[in-house]
Amino acid sequence: DQQVKQNSPSLSVQEGRISILNCDYTNSMFDYFLWYKKYPAEGPTFLISISSIKDKNEDGRFTVFLNKSAKHLSLHIVPSQPGDSAVYFCAASAGTGGFKTIFGAGTRLFVKA
Amino acid sequence: SAVISQKPSRDICQRGTSLTIQCQVDSQVTMMFWYRQQPGQSLTLIATANQGSEATYESGFVIDKFPISRPNLTFSTLTVSNLSPEDSSIYLCSVDGQSYEQYFGPGTRLTVT
Repeated sequence: DQQVKQNSPSLSVQEGRISILNCDYTNSMFDYFLWYKKYPAEGPTFLISISSIKDKNEDGRFTVFLNKSAKHLSLHIVPSQPGDSAVYFCAASAGTGGFKTIFGAGTRLFVKA
Repeated sequence: SAVISQKPSRDICQRGTSLTIQCQVDSQVTMMFWYRQQPGQSLTLIATANQGSEATYESGFVIDKFPISRPNLTFSTLTVSNLSPEDSSIYLCSVDGQSYEQYFGPGTRLTVT
């Protein structure tokens, strides 16, 4: 039972354009959502998060949108840069503590120069 | 933020043998987490390691296959025993951040032949 789904295994975007990565979840108990970025041969690094009481959180070029009624969140990267090429994991948490976090399978983003 | 190192970074092992992975954190932490990422899959939590107590294993993971040690507040080991090709994965350790985020080590890529 996949509680967190990233249905697009990969995404290719031109440099300077917007990248939109999508994530769906099924468990209504999730109250916090996170995005991680992973480069090859490195561990995932935390990128941005959003609480379930908000519908948008912005940090520089990165914005996360949450639609609770649709159980959907998205990560927008504007403008996209070649250095953004990585695997992006969506994660959902039902409380603090890593043992309560569920990860999606990841979306590989290619930003073409 | 926490800085986490793992050894080895990668290994190739024969089936039936075991591999022990080390995880070192640059600060004292209560809980450390061990994850597995099978090819093309999400990060799956194996167990939570608390110093001074037995590790707590997630459904589908057992101590006989994945024994864990946690001798102090900055170090943990995960052993993958009786290796089979299905154990070929990336193994990651992590610790909690200030809020809901986690910090990950660089991972150990295991290939079982």
